[in-house]
Amino acid sequence: DVKVTQSSRYLVKRTGEKVFLECVQDMDHENMFWYRQDPGLGLRLIYFSYDVKMKEKGDIPEGYSVSREKKERFSLILESASTNQTSMYLCASRTRGQGVVGYTFGSGTRLTVV
Amino acid sequence: AQRVTQPEKLLSVFKGAPVELKCNYSYSGSPELFWYVQYSRQRLQLLLRHISRESIKGFTADLNKGETSFHLKKPFAQEEDSAMYYCANLSPLNTGFQKLVFGTGTRLLVSP
Repeated sequence: DVKVTQSSRYLVKRTGEKVFLECVQDMDHENMFWYRQDPGLGLRLIYFSYDVKMKEKGDIPEGYSVSREKKERFSLILESASTNQTSMYLCASRTRGQGVVGYTFGSGTRLTVV
Repeated sequence: AQRVTQPEKLLSVFKGAPVELKCNYSYSGSPELFWYVQYSRQRLQLLLRHISRESIKGFTADLNKGETSFHLKKPFAQEEDSAMYYCANLSPLNTGFQKLVFGTGTRLLVSP
């Protein structure tokens, strides 16, 4: 069974902390994505990576950065966490050529910034 | 910019009643539209896509280019259909790397 694993289900961090959200996939997928999910706003794309060491800004990249040093791992970094970054974060991956049907989502990390 | 609109935040129906979750898109070309579902405490998963014209768990969705809509329908709702539903469109190839653009979601609540 294909898997996208997000290391933490719940996280509580303080304002100003540097936060790392980790995502690992075991499917040898080239493309990986970070979305945030908020009630009434749906899923919004933060960053994506189409291959190792490649990264592109999504629709709401401000306050975030990413790292893709290995194919299987895509990290989302909050340089200085703020309360407006309290949200559910979803990681997804897919392989080239499978189009949308190849998207696999992780179970999410609920981040609370206090 | 392309946009996916789901006008209802919450849809509450009784078991056995028909269900229609609305989705409208703004794109003048040929869209690639999908419905995703997220059951309680489960991960987001693909429900169906317009190009396959299939029925999954009794749900169907027809693309109506004239009305720019892709509404999700089921004739008889079941309690296990209660979930969050997202409509999504794939960004066009001529805009670069294709990405999924999601609507704001509709929570379906089916009561006994």
